[in-house]
Amino acid sequence: GIQVEQSPPDLILQEGANSTLRCNFSDSVNNLQWFHQNPWGQLINLFYIPSGTKQNGRLSATTVATERYSLLYISSSQTTDSGVYFCAVGANTNAGKSTFGDGTTLTVKP
Amino acid sequence: ETGVTQSPTHLIKTRGQQVTLRCSSQSGHNTVSWYQQALGQGPQFIFQYYREEENGRGNFPPRFSGLQFPNYSSELNVNALELDDSALYLCASSFKSGAYNEQFFGPGTRLTVL
Repeated sequence: GIQVEQSPPDLILQEGANSTLRCNFSDSVNNLQWFHQNPWGQLINLFYIPSGTKQNGRLSATTVATERYSLLYISSSQTTDSGVYFCAVGANTNAGKSTFGDGTTLTVKP
Repeated sequence: ETGVTQSPTHLIKTRGQQVTLRCSSQSGHNTVSWYQQALGQGPQFIFQYYREEENGRGNFPPRFSGLQFPNYSSELNVNALELDDSALYLCASSFKSGAYNEQFFGPGTRLTVL
């Protein structure tokens, strides 16, 4: 099956700093999503981005499908950005299965 | 528009018991997927139901089973519970159309097996 690798595993920032989170995947995908998991376990949708670039406020994401990676950018980070960020990918050849990476744990200090 | 809901929020069971978790999908969605998330790990795909049929299964034993109902709500059943089944169980709904399958997650059910 598809392998998903996220980096870095942990990231500590001062409030106001920028960061880039990376998601590498081992095969062609039709679906790619970025999520933020809050302390209560809820997965919050950030982007649905199987290819191209999207922006939403201080967050943006780029997926280069031909090179099998996606990047999540967080600018001017705030303490409320803390939590775990997951990348999840899926392919039609995988009959509905979505594969998650192990996540990047982001801590933003005031 | 109502989001994805799950019940119960927390559950404590003992080894060998059986459990049923429930998920109501978002209005207009036709697909439900279930995931298991152990502490410190990413969610692991259990299975997906599309229009009441199983449409893909992860590496989970047959004691994990499911159903999808005509209103697209779903149940996850786990028989003969083991200690390692303790985890957060997440349900995701989506409107699957061709390659498009953007998933929206419920708040999860935290299962503890003693």
